[in-house]
Amino acid sequence: AQSVTQLDSHVSVSEGTPVLLRCNYSSSYSPSLFWYVQHPNKGLQLLLKYTSAATLVKGINGFEAEFKKSETSFHLTKPSAHMSDAAEYFCVVSDDSWGKLQFGAGTQVVVTP
Amino acid sequence: DGGITQSPKYLFRKEGQNVTLSCEQNLNHDAMYWYRQDPGQGLRLIYYSQIVNDFQKGDIAEGYSVSREKKESFPLTVTSAQKNPTAFYLCASSIPAVSGNTIYFGEGSWLTVV
Repeated sequence: AQSVTQLDSHVSVSEGTPVLLRCNYSSSYSPSLFWYVQHPNKGLQLLLKYTSAATLVKGINGFEAEFKKSETSFHLTKPSAHMSDAAEYFCVVSDDSWGKLQFGAGTQVVVTP
Repeated sequence: DGGITQSPKYLFRKEGQNVTLSCEQNLNHDAMYWYRQDPGQGLRLIYYSQIVNDFQKGDIAEGYSVSREKKESFPLTVTSAQKNPTAFYLCASSIPAVSGNTIYFGEGSWLTVV
């Protein structure tokens, strides 16, 4: 069985400061892990994914995430927040043979000027 | 441009009515999915289809039905048996459903019961 826990439901940061979104997962097998972003009333856009290659994954818009198997974590970071980063972020795990996704509850990011 | 088109964006349903949400993709993807999103929650899988003329129930299939007669189309019907249908519905697709393959999402449809 697989599950995802996003440790923060809301994160508020000032523009230009670092962003950290925390995600822990449980998985019976070697998982694939994703971060998606959702702007209001929109679909989800893939930021980055981990599929057993390099543990540090770089994504779009300056985001990156590090897969830590010993900690069962896949935290998302960005060195400097931009106003356009205000959105909801979902950590997602997949370890079923056909790729069924398990979504975290989401983290709402607010960026203040 | 290639992508996933959902329609309508907003839909209102009266009690006891069935409504159908459209999903069309021109990405030539084999697999298609329907998810439901409630405010402040993650996505939950309603139905998925890995090939034409085949589909499987997800975690919350009760009160919903689907068809997959064409590769590019995967409509979702919300029936009167669905007691709490007000939600944001997202259609998605991917190349053959294998763990690690990226799933791409449409823009979503809002369904409200009036």
